[in-house]
Amino acid sequence: EIVLTQSPATLSLSPGERATLSCRASQRISSGLAWYQQKPGQAPRLLISDAANRATGIPARFTGSGSETDFTLTITTLAPEDSAVYYCHQRYNWRSTFGQGTRLEIK
Amino acid sequence: EVLLVESGGGLVKPGGSLRLSCAASGFTFSRFGMNWVRQAPGKGLEWVSSVTPYSSNIDYADSVMGRFTISRDDANNSLSLQMNSLRAEDTAVYYCTRNLKHFDYWGRGTLVTVSS
Repeated sequence: EIVLTQSPATLSLSPGERATLSCRASQRISSGLAWYQQKPGQAPRLLISDAANRATGIPARFTGSGSETDFTLTITTLAPEDSAVYYCHQRYNWRSTFGQGTRLEIK
Repeated sequence: EVLLVESGGGLVKPGGSLRLSCAASGFTFSRFGMNWVRQAPGKGLEWVSSVTPYSSNIDYADSVMGRFTISRDDANNSLSLQMNSLRAEDTAVYYCTRNLKHFDYWGRGTLVTVSS
């Protein structure tokens, strides 16, 4: 099983700042990584697929990068509505796995 | 508009069974792989099961293998999850999701509670 490890567990930043979220895979997965945003009481929403491709309707403030084992989600110019839990996800092999999540708090 | 609507959740005793359904609309259902993902209260996301188009490939997480069965009905644009021998640790919100490389659409989920 491919294990995804996210860091940090919690991130507390102010509006207008930049957030950098990390996801590390236990083995090489090429660009087969996605990022999701989940707000309380809601289903997750796809932000980024294939490591760097923004999903439909996702603002350009959200940028994904990385390959193989190290991936990053960067959110520039944070807004209050960005407060959520962010998960990374791999489907490099048929059996999906998710990271444990990073909680982003906007002060 | 792509819509996925789950149903069938509820309260069930340990060892019991439940069948979840997902009604899909707004896209050509038969062309897409589909999945179930669950989230225990206050916890992260856990992939449960996937089925490819034409049910040519099916897989399960180790935690549900042998107890859960995924199936699809392309004629009625629906996805199902038959859950047997339920345990307390199966308590979660169960989401139906669509595959497009990753999980691009999600339903709102249905809550399954396993408790005596």
